Amino acid sequence: AQRVTQPEKLLSVFKGAPVELKCNYSYSGSPELFWYVQYSRQRLQLLLRHISRESIKGFTADLNKGETSFHLKKPFAQEEDSAMYYCALKRGGKLIFGQGTELSVKP
Amino acid sequence: DGGITQSPKYLFRKEGQNVTLSCEQNLNHDAMYWYRQDPGQGLRLIYYSQIVNDFQKGDIAEGYSVSREKKESFPLTVTSAQKNPTAFYLCASSMGGLAGVSSYNEQFFGPGTRLTVL
Repeated sequence: AQRVTQPEKLLSVFKGAPVELKCNYSYSGSPELFWYVQYSRQRLQLLLRHISRESIKGFTADLNKGETSFHLKKPFAQEEDSAMYYCALKRGGKLIFGQGTELSVKP
Repeated sequence: DGGITQSPKYLFRKEGQNVTLSCEQNLNHDAMYWYRQDPGQGLRLIYYSQIVNDFQKGDIAEGYSVSREKKESFPLTVTSAQKNPTAFYLCASSMGGLAGVSSYNEQFFGPGTRLTVL
């Protein structure tokens, strides 16, 4: 069955430290993966998608088919990065979301 | 903000009552979705609709019902059959919902409705 796993419920780092939010997926076909973010008191919104190979707000995510992973990385975390992050896998016309990881960046 | 709205923001229900959550969008999107968000469980899909007058069950449809009579509206009814209805409910819409139409199937989310059963 298709599944998305985010093993960390909470990730706490200091400002300026590197951050990596883990995402693993199970999918037999060619996956399309996304990261969504929800800042405090704001709506859930798309952060980036693997197919675009883009960097948004300093974040990047590389699809590793061998390890079935799509980890989100940023070399230097900022306090404004504190938010809830969800990894999502496209299945047909729907998205399967992971459990979410709360990122807390301390000053 | 704007584009996709949900009402009310907070909703309280007595056990045994049905309640309807509103979701409206003016983005001219074909597809609309309902999710339930619980701590530690992420977002789980309840129902989705790819076109008007058509909808499909998601992963946790039991105890819920929907209708899609208009393109811009996708109300969700939480029935008394839903055993654990207290949760945060999110509505979303996207330009395309059919597989293969577009890989950039970005979903836009509403602000959510928090339902509490008393």
